[in-house]
Amino acid sequence: SQQGEEDPQALSIQEGENATMNCSYKTSINNLQWYRQNSGRGLVHLILIRSNEREKHSGRLRVTLDTSKKSSSLLITASRAADTASYFCATGLETSGSRLTFGEGTQLTVNP
Amino acid sequence: SAVISQKPSRDICQRGTSLTIQCQVDSQVTMMFWYRQQPGQSLTLIATANQGSEATYESGFVIDKFPISRPNLTFSTLTVSNMSPEDSSIYLCSVRLRGGTTDTQYFGPGTRLTVL
Repeated sequence: SQQGEEDPQALSIQEGENATMNCSYKTSINNLQWYRQNSGRGLVHLILIRSNEREKHSGRLRVTLDTSKKSSSLLITASRAADTASYFCATGLETSGSRLTFGEGTQLTVNP
Repeated sequence: SAVISQKPSRDICQRGTSLTIQCQVDSQVTMMFWYRQQPGQSLTLIATANQGSEATYESGFVIDKFPISRPNLTFSTLTVSNMSPEDSSIYLCSVRLRGGTTDTQYFGPGTRLTVL
């Protein structure tokens, strides 16, 4: 079964607002990664958080990880129209080496 | 990071034919992977491309349908054989860098395949 589940499936906000996307998973992980995909193109790696980390920042991005709840969130602050894209979480499992399992994704639309 | 290129970027093919997709990386990598993304869906791992040996396929994917080669540390090909409209997808390669201290995977731009 799919390891990651994301919500919401779609999110529409105004420019300048914050966007929060959530990801849940089912088994023990080594790390969790967030990716962005623009219009069916390749994926851009945003941030990786390890299982022993709780929070990580990169520019306007903040990622949290709660291993007790098996969930992660991605917060984009002060959103811009250029942030419009699909966002995917991907988990690296303890038992799968380097293989990643992707969530279903959240389609974010930032309206100017 | 790494610069990853894929060829072709897109193609329209006839049912029953085969297409070979190339993935080239500008630096040596430890691991290369092939994913499929069906329209409106997430990514599904097809296989891990192993240098000098047979690829490791995920459940639901077989070598006869998706033969993979990896002759060296920077190049791999994925062939989609005997295509049907259900094979219409974006195919992406990804890599994990050699000597990297993280598990980050970098993705190519993808190959958009349409099968008529």
